[in-house]
Amino acid sequence: DIQMTQSPSSLSASVGDRVTITCRASQGISNYLAWFQQKPGKAPKSLIYAASNLQRGVPSKFSGSGSGTDFTLTISSLQPEDFATYYCQQYNSYPPTFGQGTKLEIK
Amino acid sequence: EVQLVESGGGLVQPGGSLRLSCAASGFTFSNYAMSWVRQAPGEGLEWVSSISSSGDSTHYADSVKGRFTFSRDNSKNTLYLQMNSLRAEDTAVYYCAKEPYDFWSGSSTFDHWGQGTLVTVSS
Repeated sequence: DIQMTQSPSSLSASVGDRVTITCRASQGISNYLAWFQQKPGKAPKSLIYAASNLQRGVPSKFSGSGSGTDFTLTISSLQPEDFATYYCQQYNSYPPTFGQGTKLEIK
Repeated sequence: EVQLVESGGGLVQPGGSLRLSCAASGFTFSNYAMSWVRQAPGEGLEWVSSISSSGDSTHYADSVKGRFTFSRDNSKNTLYLQMNSLRAEDTAVYYCAKEPYDFWSGSSTFDHWGQGTLVTVSS
């Protein structure tokens, strides 16, 4: 199975900040990488697919990059509604696997 | 608007069975692969199973293989997850999720999620 490792596991930031979350795959996955946002008690929401493509309706403050084994999610101009847990997920091969999550908290 | 509504969760004893359902609307259900993803309390996301658009092909996580059966009824726009021989470690919120396309040479990802249904396995 492909292991996905996110860093950091938690992150404190202020409203207006720009943050970057990193996701590393244990082997190359081309660009078959998705990012999800999850708020407490809610279902995950799809943000990005194919490493850098925004899902419909996702604001452009979210951006993704990377290919192969190293990927990043960047969120600019943080707003209160952005504080959540973020997960990366590879879909290069079965089983699809998720990172452990990065909890983004308000400083 | 895509809507996925899970039902069937609840409390079950170890070794027992439960059947989850997921009613889909707002898209052409029979064109897309679908999945179940679960989340144990306080934990991360774990893929459980996927099914092709026709229902002819399925994939399962090793942790549920031989115990869970994923099926679909395209005439009713509904998914089913039959869960047998349940264990305490199956306790989780179970989400059904739509995939952006049918089975392909790669793996599954998810563009829409239901609200989830809680399964608790305990005596």
